[in-house]
Amino acid sequence: DTAVSQTPKYLVTQMGNDKSIKCEQNLGHDTMYWYKQDSKKFLKIMFSYNNKELIINETVPNRFSPKSPDKAHLNLHINSLELGDSAVYFCASSQGREAFFGQGTRLTVV
Amino acid sequence: AQRVTQPEKLLSVFKGAPVELKCNYSYSGSPELFWYVQYSRQRLQLLLRHISRESIKGFTADLNKGETSFHLKKPFAQEEDSAMYYCAPTPGGSEKLVFGKGMKLTVNP
Repeated sequence: DTAVSQTPKYLVTQMGNDKSIKCEQNLGHDTMYWYKQDSKKFLKIMFSYNNKELIINETVPNRFSPKSPDKAHLNLHINSLELGDSAVYFCASSQGREAFFGQGTRLTVV
Repeated sequence: AQRVTQPEKLLSVFKGAPVELKCNYSYSGSPELFWYVQYSRQRLQLLLRHISRESIKGFTADLNKGETSFHLKKPFAQEEDSAMYYCAPTPGGSEKLVFGKGMKLTVNP
């Protein structure tokens, strides 16, 4: 059973489009995250939700909007995609300090 | 400022050589420290945590509060250890998981 799953795994889209990445965890964790891994493999936190409430919102453009319909899901919607948004996006969940990650979504904006 | 530093971006060694991946942190209080690993085309996963004091895949990490370091070590590297390694100190009382910039380890045959 996959603990944290993201869809899609790959996403290629044109500049200006709006796209969403979905994340689901079946671990019963209260906290979920979105991270961005850039081309240099630098991992940066974007958002964190605890029990459907936003608790961390790093300096991320307003074009990025997370949505948590319930504590098992944290989706990431991106408006007006730009070339610089190309990266691998990881969803994660945690209960306490240990994080469990999804397999990542490789977003390529052309 | 609270920060985690992995000073080296790349490390390349031959199989059987010792490796040490460095991590320094500047969090106050008592952070909980982790090492995460990402093998090629796989998800990030927990390698070890300092409170466990365990050896995973031959790796150990010692917390040195005086030097505020949490270096990851392995006496004899294997080719399958080639991966990205991230140090992740979590400030006490915080749910914020912050990662170092990562370090790429390449173990050559």
